[in-house]
Amino acid sequence: TQLLKQSPQFLSIQEGENLTVYCNSSSVFSSLQWYRQEPGEGPVLLVTVVTGGEVKKLKRLTFQFGDARKDSSLHITAAQPGDTGLYLCAGGESAGYALNFGKGTSLLVTP
Amino acid sequence: SQTIHQWPATLVQPVGSPLSLECTVEGTSNPNLYWYRQAAGRGLQLLFYSVGIGQISSEVPQNLSASRPQDRQFILSSKKLLLSDSGFYLCAWSQGWNTEAFFGQGTRLTVV
Repeated sequence: TQLLKQSPQFLSIQEGENLTVYCNSSSVFSSLQWYRQEPGEGPVLLVTVVTGGEVKKLKRLTFQFGDARKDSSLHITAAQPGDTGLYLCAGGESAGYALNFGKGTSLLVTP
Repeated sequence: SQTIHQWPATLVQPVGSPLSLECTVEGTSNPNLYWYRQAAGRGLQLLFYSVGIGQISSEVPQNLSASRPQDRQFILSSKKLLLSDSGFYLCAWSQGWNTEAFFGQGTRLTVV
């Protein structure tokens, strides 16, 4: 079972600020996913990255997969209150392994 | 389109009572099915997963069990609940490994 470490655990910022959250592991992933979860609901997929060095953009969110496919980052530009939530990374080592999730970064964006 | 149903949404059970949470998936066949538990808004702990009818893999030894009596039905059970079984339980499915997981709305279980 891979261990995914996410940092920071908690982040409280004001609207308009930029932020970056990280997901790290000692294992190599065949793919890595980022989810966002709101209280009382299930996580919803934001993006999947599969190639080392890959960068994907989703509006104000930028996702990067490390060259060695062991780590990933999520950068949010000009955060908005609607970005508030729990951000989870999840990785799969290869076929035959279920997705394992990190403990998440809880983000609070205040107006 | 595919949908996943999980019920009940909330449950309060006394210590020592049995548990049965049900999850069904529609619109797909032979999905991978998962049960996760989440404590206090933190990360998801994988409890069980299944790649087919009657096949269950357990990730964490505990007071819970899972069954898959039909292709798109996944059940989480316990014979006697403990206080430590309280948490937010999520059912999910995916079409294969390392692909997007689709989650149900979750069950908030409180053992008292």
